[in-house]
Amino acid sequence: EVQLVQSGAEIKKPGESLKISCKASGYSFTTYWIGWVRQMPGKGLEWVGVIYPGDSVSRFGPSFQGQVTMSVDKSMNTAYLQLNSLKASDTAKYFCARCPMGGSYFGDWGQGTLVTVSS
Amino acid sequence: DIQMTQSPSTLSASVGDRVTITCRASQNINSWLAWYQQQPGKAPKLLIYKASTLESGVSSRFSGSGSGTEFTLTISSLQPDDFATYYCQQYNDYSWTFGQGTKVEIK
Repeated sequence: EVQLVQSGAEIKKPGESLKISCKASGYSFTTYWIGWVRQMPGKGLEWVGVIYPGDSVSRFGPSFQGQVTMSVDKSMNTAYLQLNSLKASDTAKYFCARCPMGGSYFGDWGQGTLVTVSS
Repeated sequence: DIQMTQSPSTLSASVGDRVTITCRASQNINSWLAWYQQQPGKAPKLLIYKASTLESGVSSRFSGSGSGTEFTLTISSLQPDDFATYYCQQYNDYSWTFGQGTKVEIK
């Protein structure tokens, strides 16, 4: 069974950095793209980016290029999303998700990580 | 960048109703379209991919159609668990975009 388990909720201050994790199990981690999706409070879904764990090739959504960093640890079957210089507008729930076929739809989802940025 | 426009934004319906949600792409995406259902506080759930392929385990009352730039999601007979928000998503050429969502409310 494919599972994506994300790290827990975080409360951060403006200007701080944060790394969210997404631990995968139940499949070959290096051969499927992992994506990240942001959902701000009461709002819709936004594509943040995707990363291919096999070679760390990445693609970013138009609003997120240069704003976030994605990485993987193949030994831990874990993907990461790093948010730097946090602002109140980064307050959101962040989901990781797996593309079951190439660069396709998101078939399996993590439970989400709620990030709150407040002074 | 490809833009996705869903309509309506909100839909009020009753149990048993047939419901249709439309999604339009700003350019041709062939059939590279997925539909998701999201319940409050939960992760999205994949319903349909490649415009019309039902995800394993998803009720057959959900169906998708369309290609190119116009797509629809139909729920044949709305059930209590179906009151949720629905999103379309294009996945063309390693670029992804979600529609703004359609909330299906109880009438």
